[in-house]
Order: sequence, then C-alpha cells, then structure tokens
Amino acid sequence: GIQVEQSPPDLILQEGANSTLRCNFSDSVNNLQWFHQNPWGQLINLFYIPSGTKQNGRLSATTVATERYSLLYISSSQTTDSGVYFCAVERWGNTPLVFGKGTRLSVIA
Amino acid sequence: DAGVIQSPRHEVTEMGQEVTLRCKPISGHNSLFWYRQTMMRGLELLIYFNNNVPIDDSGMPEDRFSAKMPNASFSTLKIQPSEPRDSAVYFCASSALGQPQHFGDGTRLSIL
Repeated sequence: GIQVEQSPPDLILQEGANSTLRCNFSDSVNNLQWFHQNPWGQLINLFYIPSGTKQNGRLSATTVATERYSLLYISSSQTTDSGVYFCAVERWGNTPLVFGKGTRLSVIA
Repeated sequence: DAGVIQSPRHEVTEMGQEVTLRCKPISGHNSLFWYRQTMMRGLELLIYFNNNVPIDDSGMPEDRFSAKMPNASFSTLKIQPSEPRDSAVYFCASSALGQPQHFGDGTRLSIL
C-alpha cells in the first residue's frame, strides 16, 4: 500500500516563529488533506490540496503531486497552534485516507 | 450545516460487555469511514461504506467487531465481547466524491 512519511516528528517553537512541515508519499494520489489534532483530540480539516498552493490566514500549503510531497507552512506561530499535524492521502476517489504518523508541534510563549 | 456526529463521546465499560458506537454522517455524503487511533498504530481504517454498502472491512481486527449502515444517515460499530486492547479513540468520517473527508469528534473508548 501507499506509504506516507511526515517530518519532523516533533517540533518546538517559540511563539512568533515560522515553521515548515513536510509530507512525502510513495505513489500518485487523488487527494491530500492536512489535519490539526487539537489537545481535545478533534481532527480539524486544514487543507484539501491534491495539487497547487492554498492559503488560509497564517497557514498555507503546497502540494507538488509530480514529486510526491506536500508542505505545510505555519507563520507567526501561536500557542493555540500546538497539537499534532497529520497529512493523509487518498489513493482514488471515495476511498480511505492513509495517514502519516504526524508532527507534534509545541509552541511556547 | 451540522458536521459528522458521533455518540457517545466517552465510553467506559468492563471487559466482556457489548459496546455500540454510533455515527451520523453529513447529509448528502455517500461515503462513510470508521477509523481507530491508538498510540501504537496511529490512525488506521477499520471499514468503509459507499452508498450504504460495505466496500472494505479488511481493517476490522477480528470477528468481535461488526459495522452496519442501515441507511444513508446512520452507522454503527459494535464490539462484542469487548477487551482491554480495544481501548482507543474511534473516529467516523464522511465524504462526497471529489470532496474532503470530514471527521466527527471521536469516541474515546476505555475497556477495563
């Protein structure tokens, strides 16, 4: 099956710093999603981005499908950004997501 | 619009008891997924349905687990009998073709 690798596994930032999270996947995909799992365990949709670049406030994401990777940028980080960020890919339409192991982000004041 | 609704949010029960988890997908979504999250294995698929029909249940751990989707607005995941190793967070998600998957808040299950 398809493999999804995320890096780094852990990241500690000072409030206000910027960061880049990476997701590599082993085969072509129909869909790629980024999630934030908050301290309460909820999985929050950040981006649905099979290709191209999207921005939402301080967050942006870029997927280069031909090279099988995606990047999530967090700018001016805040303590509320803490949690685990997951990348997940869908091989074909209406099929299950395959998740990476996540990047655990801690933003300290 | 309401998101994916799961119940209960938390369940604590004793080993051997039957556990039923419930999910109401987003209206109009034709795919429904059950995932489980554990520290050891991360997030993994248990089973999914398209148009209320089970498509792939290869992730269901063993015969103690069963899932049904009697109609487009409701699904259940049952564990009978439950065991301590079933303790995990169980997520339900739904989607429409060409749309992202949306997740419920999960059910945190503890089997004593």
